[in-house]
Amino acid sequence: KNQVEQSPQSLIILEGKNCTLQCNYTVSPFSNLRWYKQDTGRGPVSLTIMTFSENTKSNGRYTATLDADTKQSSLHITASQLSDSASYICVVSAMKTSYDKVIFGPGTSLSVIP
Amino acid sequence: DTGVSQNPRHKITKRGQNVTFRCDPISEHNRLYWYRQTLGQGPEFLTYFQNEAQLEKSRLLSDRFSAERPKGSFSTLEIQRTEQGDSAMYLCASSPGGVNEQFFGPGTRLTVL
Repeated sequence: KNQVEQSPQSLIILEGKNCTLQCNYTVSPFSNLRWYKQDTGRGPVSLTIMTFSENTKSNGRYTATLDADTKQSSLHITASQLSDSASYICVVSAMKTSYDKVIFGPGTSLSVIP
Repeated sequence: DTGVSQNPRHKITKRGQNVTFRCDPISEHNRLYWYRQTLGQGPEFLTYFQNEAQLEKSRLLSDRFSAERPKGSFSTLEIQRTEQGDSAMYLCASSPGGVNEQFFGPGTRLTVL
């Protein structure tokens, strides 16, 4: 069964600190993995996208890693800011004949406090 | 604004009423998706269009739900005889194909009283 799990479920950190969010998946055949940021009451916004051959991708203070062998990904946030408070969703795509079947994780709720 | 737009942003309705939501994708994106998201959960896939063809529907999409994309541009999602369990955020996304990053709209928040 294609599944995406994320940990922790929620996280509270002080402004300026770093944090790492985890994503494990059992999706096959694998196509790509994305991390999205979703502010409360808004649609998700893409942060990074990685295919099978990529093991790291950066977008400003966000760095995503992918280990396709162990089927794990992480999202590292450096020097957190209050505006980083949001839900971070790991999304894995499985290859299908007509389109990539997309499986969403439940998200990690991050709160950055002053 | 060239992003995905959704209307209305919020809808409050009484149980048993019908509601219709609209999604305008990014122009020239031939793929359009509908998702449902409840509080604290990731989005759940409902249905997918390539141009005007509805290629896949989730088992979540009961007989009360219907989606259309008549001209391959905007799409509508209708829920008939709404139930309290239909209360959720309904998200629309579009993509150009290939390694298809999906661009999401702001969502329509439905509350069924």
